[in-house]
Amino acid sequence: EPEVTQTPSHQVTQMGQEVILRCVPISNHLYFYWYRQILGQKVEFLVSFYNNEISEKSEIFDDQFSVERPDGSNFTLKIRSTKLEDSAMYFCASQIVYGPNNEQFFGPGTRLTVL
Amino acid sequence: AQKVTQAQTEISVVEKEDVTLDCVYETRDTTYYLFWYKQPPSGELVFLIRRNSFDEQNEISGRYSWNFQKSTSSFNFTITASQVVDSAVYFCALILYNQGGKLIFGQGTELSVKP
Repeated sequence: EPEVTQTPSHQVTQMGQEVILRCVPISNHLYFYWYRQILGQKVEFLVSFYNNEISEKSEIFDDQFSVERPDGSNFTLKIRSTKLEDSAMYFCASQIVYGPNNEQFFGPGTRLTVL
Repeated sequence: AQKVTQAQTEISVVEKEDVTLDCVYETRDTTYYLFWYKQPPSGELVFLIRRNSFDEQNEISGRYSWNFQKSTSSFNFTITASQVVDSAVYFCALILYNQGGKLIFGQGTELSVKP
């Protein structure tokens, strides 16, 4: 069964460093998402992406964050200058077509630890 | 504003007990979708069910059942004859029809099933 994959599974970085989290969505999916879960808290929407553009972003998704689909298969989340509070699990999700009646398939997540 | 509330932070039961996880949502929209996700200790998000706002029929899937009541804005989840493998964090989530991609999650309920 097709699945969303994410790499790395765990990333440790120093505060102020740039990190890139990678996701490979399911191949025929068109809509992509990033969510964040700070340890012990709820999952929060960061950004949605379609046709090489951001469709919607949350207040969390400030100028330190960017997303891109560089090569038609990967979908990346870049944090330009990490802060301690960026430590969280980051989930990528993909969806075949837009709409709440279509399931978002989640990847296994990348745990980001900022020291 | 849209919101999902899971008032039960942690629940602990003994195997074979029935357990109900509560979910209350807030929205002024008339068209929306409700979801339940399971997050086992391994951390991934597993889709369990989707229900749209026009379908108030209860659903049963094996030991799992869901009770959707628009009158009380609730979408509760019952596990019958719980098993140790049911131990996980369970999230209730909401998508508004006109925000087709953005999942709004509750805080989650950590269920611990003891042998």
